[in-house]
Amino acid sequence: GQSLEQPSEVTAVEGAIVQINCTYQTSGFYGLSWYQQHDGGAPTFLSYNGLDGLEETGRFSSFLSRSDSYGYLLLQELQMKDSASYFCAVYNQGGKLIFGQGTELSVKP
Amino acid sequence: NAGVTQTPKFRILKIGQSMTLQCTQDMNHNYMYWYRQDPGMGLKLIYYSVGAGITDKGEVPNGYNVSRSTTEDFPLRLELAAPSQTSVYFCASSPGTGSGYTFGSGTRLTVV
Repeated sequence: GQSLEQPSEVTAVEGAIVQINCTYQTSGFYGLSWYQQHDGGAPTFLSYNGLDGLEETGRFSSFLSRSDSYGYLLLQELQMKDSASYFCAVYNQGGKLIFGQGTELSVKP
Repeated sequence: NAGVTQTPKFRILKIGQSMTLQCTQDMNHNYMYWYRQDPGMGLKLIYYSVGAGITDKGEVPNGYNVSRSTTEDFPLRLELAAPSQTSVYFCASSPGTGSGYTFGSGTRLTVV
């Protein structure tokens, strides 16, 4: 089978840094992706890690360690608009994504 | 550029009724997907397609059917609707593995 684990909730203050971890068990792993979803909205793509290491896109960074079946999303200089749910998702064979349950991030003033 | 368009946005069905959720993309993506998302949960893959004429089951295919006659369209059919199918349905497309998915705005379906 396959499973992904991530914390259900994280709270941080504006301007801070937060890290959302994701561990996975899956067969046919091709890479790890992260998506953001605001309440009532559609998921939007944030990042993809196909190889070990860190990928940086503006205030967001994502990391993958294949040997540890582990990744994380790092959000810096948090803003109120970053309050949303964040999903890690693994790419399996056939280009399909399997999603985790999501982490609800609350950013406080 | 419209991206991924889903219709309808909202629908209420009675138990046993059938309906088709429409999904169209204008990005010439080969890969298309249907997910459902229950409140407070992650997305579960229902069906996916890697190109016209090719479809395959995802994690939760029971009670649904799909077809892919063109690159642009990937409709999802619900036969004999049940309350357990009350959910938000998202269609998505991508150019391939490792590329981000583009999601439609979703269809909020209630079965009563």
